[in-house]
Amino acid sequence: NAGVMQNPRHLVRRRGQEARLRCSPMKGHSHVYWYRQLPEEGLKFMVYLQKENIIDESGMPKERFSAEFPKEGPSILRIQQVVRGDSAAYFCASSPEGRMFNEKLFFGSGTQLSVL
Amino acid sequence: AQKITQTQPGMFVQEKEAVTLDCTYDTSDPSYGLFWYKQPSSGEMIFLIYQGSYDQQNATEGRYSLNFQKARKSANLVISASQLGDSAMYFCAMREISGTYKYIFGTGTRLKVLA
Repeated sequence: NAGVMQNPRHLVRRRGQEARLRCSPMKGHSHVYWYRQLPEEGLKFMVYLQKENIIDESGMPKERFSAEFPKEGPSILRIQQVVRGDSAAYFCASSPEGRMFNEKLFFGSGTQLSVL
Repeated sequence: AQKITQTQPGMFVQEKEAVTLDCTYDTSDPSYGLFWYKQPSSGEMIFLIYQGSYDQQNATEGRYSLNFQKARKSANLVISASQLGDSAMYFCAMREISGTYKYIFGTGTRLKVLA
């Protein structure tokens, strides 16, 4: 039973390029969350998605960042025209139902984005 | 707005001793869940323990227990009989039932267990 799969583990981009981070939730999970973690800092909420719907994107910058979770396939976090400040670890997590407050999040291993 | 505060950036504890990691939260919602996660140096996030706002008893999971004081809005993690493998970052998190059900995390506490 595979856990939350994120790829790539490491992604290097030059300033101005696009970064695409992928997340496949655990089997049976239909809710995906993206978090960003800077070194020695906590997890900052970015976006919460359900299949084909964005539930909450209050933590995501308005420009250059977008996220989707299509009916088929993984969730994608896209960062356009990356800048050095985008360098961080990006974690994806999933949960099954989305409406029970005792549901724990299952995390992927993260994608470390480095912008040169 | 909901908020999680972890005021201890770093903690040291002697092996085999107990340690308490502090977590306070702010919410106006009567229904919420509180979680603790561990992040070792390898980077993965490991779920440790959960406490619901209506739970009458403090949660326990092996060497982990949660000191839940609802009136003070605190949910401190207690690790008993610390082991070297407990050295890691520890994050407190909360999920509200109102709003969009998202989870928010504190800034974490780095625990170092000394031999």
